[in-house]
Amino acid sequence: AQSVAQPEDQVNVAEGNPLTVKCTYSVSGNPYLFWYVQYPNRGLQFLLKYITGDNLVKGSYGFEAEFNKSQTSFHLKKPSALVSDSALYFCAVRPGSARQLTFGSGTQLTVLP
Amino acid sequence: GAGVSQSPSNKVTEKGKDVELRCDPISGHTALYWYRQRLGQGLEFLIYFQGNSAPDKSGLPSDRFSAERTGESVSTLTIQRTQQEDSAVYLCASSSATANYGYTFGSGTRLTVV
Repeated sequence: AQSVAQPEDQVNVAEGNPLTVKCTYSVSGNPYLFWYVQYPNRGLQFLLKYITGDNLVKGSYGFEAEFNKSQTSFHLKKPSALVSDSALYFCAVRPGSARQLTFGSGTQLTVLP
Repeated sequence: GAGVSQSPSNKVTEKGKDVELRCDPISGHTALYWYRQRLGQGLEFLIYFQGNSAPDKSGLPSDRFSAERTGESVSTLTIQRTQQEDSAVYLCASSSATANYGYTFGSGTRLTVV
């Protein structure tokens, strides 16, 4: 069975600094990997995905993520954080053979002005 | 419609009562998913519908939970004899057949059992 780990419940970063939100996964076969963001009292919004191809994936709002097969990681990054990036971030995975996504427990990102 | 629509947005119910939650997926999306998000926790898969195939019910936590979907249209999630531990946000998502880009989520129904 597939699983996703987000080792940090909370990440704090100063505005203008780079940010990283960590994600590692376990899945059989080739993974499809996703990042979603959830703002308060809102549903999840798609940020970016990795299906195949370049390991560095660029997504919405200046976010990017790097797929690292040897480390089974898919960390979310942004070069310069904004206060408006403060939200709950979820990593998700599904093997190519399955349809439902398995989500991590989420990481609360707080960008301090 | 333009997005996934869920109703009601908030529901407060008394312990022991039945509740019905509704999800209206994006038109043309063949797949529909229900997830539960308890306060401070991640998303817990409940059930998945794909077209007219038998649903994947493997995530339903008990026989008090059931869901229906007719074809590729609206889905309803029913919780019978609600318990306080059922309090959560129930999220619905839909996707197209290929689903390479993941899901589109609704805004959820916040269920509070008192």
